[in-house]
Amino acid sequence: GQQLNQSPQSMFIQEGEDVSMNCTSSSIFNTWLWYKQEPGEGPVLLIALYKAGELTSNGRLTAQFGITRKDSFLNISASIPSDVGIYFCAGQLGGAQKLVFGQGTRLTINP
Amino acid sequence: DSGVTQTPKHLITATGQRVTLRCSPRSGDLSVYWYQQSLDQGLQFLIQYYNGEERAKGNILERFSAQQFPDLHSELNLSSLELGDSALYFCASSVETATEAFFGQGTRLTVV
Repeated sequence: GQQLNQSPQSMFIQEGEDVSMNCTSSSIFNTWLWYKQEPGEGPVLLIALYKAGELTSNGRLTAQFGITRKDSFLNISASIPSDVGIYFCAGQLGGAQKLVFGQGTRLTINP
Repeated sequence: DSGVTQTPKHLITATGQRVTLRCSPRSGDLSVYWYQQSLDQGLQFLIQYYNGEERAKGNILERFSAQQFPDLHSELNLSSLELGDSALYFCASSVETATEAFFGQGTRLTVV
């Protein structure tokens, strides 16, 4: 079953606004990854996090690995039209091999 | 370009048939993952191989099977296809297990 809860499921914002989304779990994760998927394409890796408390930026994107190792958030500052897409979090459960994915956050931007 | 190659890009087949999807991982990557994405759904983990051996299994149906060959490419076999198997199938690869995984463009399977 689904082990990651990603929210919100969808967001409708104005161009220039900041965006925040997060993933939570009742389980401890060793790794958190954030991906973006555009229609008809494969997910593209945005940010990878490996340590609790780690804060990493990639341009206008910032992501953090929660201190409890059970959550992560992704922020996008000053959104632009090309930020439109579905954002997925993914994590590796402690002791497990596989990566599990959240259900995604669909981001729509009004110009 | 992620460096992960999936073929074919599109596949249309009839119910009851069998198909094979192919994935070539990035150069140097030993781990291959397969995911299924149905319309407007998330990514459902199917199976993972590392250096030719199965490492983790998700909600993969018994009608589905996969393998990773000595040259590290992988194939996902789907048999006795049903309408509900229509989906995007993604392959991803990483250097080690559950580290940064890079996705291919996917194979869109349509069962009619």
